Amino acid sequence: DIQMTQSPSTLSASVGDRVIITCRASENINTWLAWYQQKPGKAPKLLIYKASTLESGVPSGFSGSGSGTDFTLTISSLQPDDFATYFCQQYNNYPWTFGQGTRVDVK
Amino acid sequence: EVHLLQSGGDLVQPGGSLRLSCGGSGFTFSSHDMSWVRQAPGQGLEWVAITVGGGGGFYYGDSVKGRFTVSRDNSRNTLYLQMNSLRVEDTATYYCAKKIGYGYALDSWGQGTLVIVSS
Repeated sequence: DIQMTQSPSTLSASVGDRVIITCRASENINTWLAWYQQKPGKAPKLLIYKASTLESGVPSGFSGSGSGTDFTLTISSLQPDDFATYFCQQYNNYPWTFGQGTRVDVK
Repeated sequence: EVHLLQSGGDLVQPGGSLRLSCGGSGFTFSSHDMSWVRQAPGQGLEWVAITVGGGGGFYYGDSVKGRFTVSRDNSRNTLYLQMNSLRVEDTATYYCAKKIGYGYALDSWGQGTLVIVSS
């Protein structure tokens, strides 16, 4: 199975900060990578798919990049609504696998 | 508007069985891939299973293979997860989610349903 490793596990930031979360795959997944945002008690929400394609309705402050094994999610200017947990997920091969999550909290 | 409405979560004893349901509306159910993802309390996301739209097959996560069965009734726009031989470690919130097709990710999710496996 493909292992997905996110870093950091927790990130403390302030409104207006630029935030970068990384995700590394244990083998080449081309660009078959998605990013999700999850808030407590809620279902995950798709932010980005195919490594860099912004899902409809997602603010333009979110962006994704990478291919192969190394990927990043960038929030250009953290907004109050962005404090949440973020997960990467590969869908290159079954079984699909998720990263362990990155919690973005208030500094 | 796309909506996925889940039901079926419950408290069940180890070794028992349970069936979860997920009804879809606002999209062409039969042509979408439909998946299950779970989240143990306080933990991350774990992919469980998928049924590929258009009769494309079924795939499972390693931890549920041989115990769980995913199915769909396109006439009822409903996705199912039959869970047998349940273990304490299957305790989680189970989400259904849909995927438009090849190259896309899980773009809409149900509200989740809690399964507790305990004696």
